[in-house]
Amino acid sequence: DMKVTQMPRYLIKRMGENVLLECGQDMSHETMYWYRQDPGLGLQLIYISYDVDSNSEGDIPKGYRVSRKKREHFSLILDSAKTNQTSVYFCASSRDIYEQYFGPGTRLTVL
Amino acid sequence: GDSVTQKQGQVTLSEDDFLFINCTYSTTTYPTLLWYVQYPGQGPQLLLKVTTANNKGISRGFEATYDKGTTSFHLQKASVQESDSAVYFCALVGSQGGRALIFGTGTTVSVSP
Repeated sequence: DMKVTQMPRYLIKRMGENVLLECGQDMSHETMYWYRQDPGLGLQLIYISYDVDSNSEGDIPKGYRVSRKKREHFSLILDSAKTNQTSVYFCASSRDIYEQYFGPGTRLTVL
Repeated sequence: GDSVTQKQGQVTLSEDDFLFINCTYSTTTYPTLLWYVQYPGQGPQLLLKVTTANNKGISRGFEATYDKGTTSFHLQKASVQESDSAVYFCALVGSQGGRALIFGTGTTVSVSP
């Protein structure tokens, strides 16, 4: 069963704390993505990963970093979280450029 | 650079109404245009793909077509159901290479029974 998982699903942090969002996929897809979704702004690409240790900045990488040490696993890290990073974060993976498989999302609140 | 514009933020319908959502795009190459749908509590999923080769895509009762002359593409469904309530995103395959899609801002469709 093709699946993208995200952990945790909900997270509340205080400003200045570090945040780790984790994503896994069981489809052996080379390409993985991190997006954030905010009302009225749609899906904004944070980072794209083309394979292990092959990561590129997306449209809004500032304040974020990523790690991909295994093909099936992609992490998003917020060092010293800010209140404006409160959002819903989606991970996705794809085999081709057209169909991205999205996870269920992580709702992050930074107080 | 490449861009998509989705001006309809919200559409409210009753069951059996006709749905029409429009996007405009800008790109320097032959466009491949996509519609994604996001149901409540889920991540987006691919609904339809339209290319210059086929000009039209059909899936689950939805139809997508594009108009090169007006650089627009739209999604329509003849008779919506309450289960079609979702956010619909148009997306463009970028011309800059890589594997990033350019998403519109989304249209929230609410269908009442």
